[in-house]
Amino acid sequence: DTEVTQTPKHLVMGMTNKKSLKCEQHMGHRAMYWYKQKAKKPPELMFVYSYEKLSINESVPSRFSPECPNSSLLNLHLHALQPEDSALYLCASSAQVEVRGVQFFGPGTRLTVL
Amino acid sequence: GENVEQHPSTLSVQEGDSAVIKCTYSDSASNYFPWYKQELGKRPQLIIDIRSNVGEKKDQRIAVTLNKTAKHFSLHITETQPEDSAVYFCAASSGAGSYQLTFGKGTKLSVIP
Repeated sequence: DTEVTQTPKHLVMGMTNKKSLKCEQHMGHRAMYWYKQKAKKPPELMFVYSYEKLSINESVPSRFSPECPNSSLLNLHLHALQPEDSALYLCASSAQVEVRGVQFFGPGTRLTVL
Repeated sequence: GENVEQHPSTLSVQEGDSAVIKCTYSDSASNYFPWYKQELGKRPQLIIDIRSNVGEKKDQRIAVTLNKTAKHFSLHITETQPEDSAVYFCAASSGAGSYQLTFGKGTKLSVIP
């Protein structure tokens, strides 16, 4: 398996809802990432996990809570989001064996916050 | 931190012509420079990358050049086809021991049949 998969593809939620995004890879990669992408903008890094530990948090609001249960899975828990959080949420992974390895992106979850 | 500038923001070419997209970076410690292609509604896909110990890399119709002294790198697409139409992002790594990529703002390439 040489792909990063993400579920769900689309998600609509209210500001009081709690939901989770899921990302999975079976390439043996030990670095996983969450990005947020607004329309016509580049991906914006949110979190980096290295060997299942959070290594980078780009000052993301606490209403976004990442979790890495094992080396293949990455979750993003969402709670009390704002309409401006509507965006495409991309997961990516890269091998840990080399510095600055290639990042492979998942197809993303299109999130709409009402 | 790293800053990546990308130009132009939009580019229209006739089918069969060449397209060139340029990026500059600020952090002299950066040593990895990937290019991603993103079609509408799809994921960014790596099309080519280059490391700082190499000046040029080519893959069929796509090539990337790197000038470390001037801190700029460029994407060259020859014999463009309509399916090359997409947004292209350049990126640079941003720090020792970091897996962070800093992206340019993107170039929307339109290939006119």
